[in-house]
Amino acid sequence: EAGVAQSPRYKIIEKRQSVAFWCNPISGHATLYWYQQILGQGPKLLIQFQNNGVVDDSQLPKDRFSAERLKGVDSTLKIQPAKLEDSAVYLCASSFRTSGSVQYFGPGTRLTVT
Amino acid sequence: RKEVEQDPGPFNVPEGATVAFNCTYSNSASQSFFWYRQDCRKEPKLLMSVYSSGNEDGRFTAQLNRASQYISLLIRDSKLSDSATYLCVVAHTGGFKTIFGAGTRLFVKA
Repeated sequence: EAGVAQSPRYKIIEKRQSVAFWCNPISGHATLYWYQQILGQGPKLLIQFQNNGVVDDSQLPKDRFSAERLKGVDSTLKIQPAKLEDSAVYLCASSFRTSGSVQYFGPGTRLTVT
Repeated sequence: RKEVEQDPGPFNVPEGATVAFNCTYSNSASQSFFWYRQDCRKEPKLLMSVYSSGNEDGRFTAQLNRASQYISLLIRDSKLSDSATYLCVVAHTGGFKTIFGAGTRLFVKA
């Protein structure tokens, strides 16, 4: 069974530039999560989708971050404009059901903002 | 106070040692609990779910104490390959909210 796919794996941009990340979850998984993990910290949930609807985006900095999951399958996370403090690993995960189910993570995208 | 707190670590133990990690959570509505393992520069992977009755998987034992609102992970006969960061995860099934702890780093040395 294919795992969660993410691209790109690495991205270096300058502050105030834009960047987008892509995620394709495990087939059949209804729930998709985007996390931000800063070095030395645990993953922080940015947004959670149930099919193509948002169920939790309380920690998403909506002035600069946006995410969508059209058609309830793959998803994109965008940052515009980027700040230095956005340097982190962005992890996508999926689960068969809603919160409380085991989550399977993709390899992540390591973002460096200079 | 953070909603999920873990022992800060790092824990440095010799091979063969027994080591235990604790994780406390503040929201009594929490319903699902997990331990994930994260190797350096890798993604988190499920180590084990934590059930009310406690559960064991080989050298790993997880316990849940709802009254005191903590979960624990015990690793017996530590191996070099157990060196990793262990993440405590708490989920509120009804509220669709999953929270990761900051993680506890474990180093097992020969």
